[in-house]
Amino acid sequence: DAGVIQSPRHEVTEMGQEVTLRCKPISGHNSLFWYRQTMMRGLELLIYFNNNVPIDDSGMPEDRFSAKMPNASFSTLKIQPSEPRDSAVYFCASSPTGALNTEAFFGQGTRLTVV
Amino acid sequence: GDSVTQMEGPVTLSEEAFLTINCTYTATGYPSLFWYVQYPGEGLQLLLKATKADDKGSNKGFEATYRKETTSFHLEKGSVQVSDSAVYFCALSEDTGRRALTFGSGTRLQVQP
Repeated sequence: DAGVIQSPRHEVTEMGQEVTLRCKPISGHNSLFWYRQTMMRGLELLIYFNNNVPIDDSGMPEDRFSAKMPNASFSTLKIQPSEPRDSAVYFCASSPTGALNTEAFFGQGTRLTVV
Repeated sequence: GDSVTQMEGPVTLSEEAFLTINCTYTATGYPSLFWYVQYPGEGLQLLLKATKADDKGSNKGFEATYRKETTSFHLEKGSVQVSDSAVYFCALSEDTGRRALTFGSGTRLQVQP
């Protein structure tokens, strides 16, 4: 398996523009997580899905952020409109459900810069 | 809520030195504990884990013991190498309810030749 695949790896956009980050989880994994990493706040969970259903979105910063998982093999995280404070590395991770205490497998991340 | 506290970095060591990175946690249930490593420009990779009290996780010369009485999961390695230079994250996941990992702030390790 190729692991968790995220695209793009790098994104530079202007303030006010819409940004869409994409993630393909590992086949057979039922849980998917979006994390944001910044120097100031470390790794923060934004949202997590189980069987394509959002379970916990309490970490989504505000209404400008939205996430979808239309099927088991694809998820998007959208920011509209983007702001400079959204600049961060965004990680997607997946894990198999049904097994307790299972590790999460991370993608390589998308480095977002909003200017 | 759950939380993980790690020692501040960076930690700078010479090659072959002994490494300890402290990690303590707060959780309501009986969590599993993890150490992840992040190399520059990469995502996080699982280094080791322990799922119950007194378990010892080990991998690549690193080890950590789940200490319920002190709510700790300190990472140790007897002899570090330059290639161990990375950021290390302690994390937990609960056995019920929210299954997502809660991470510590990370500790940067720099190993000098």
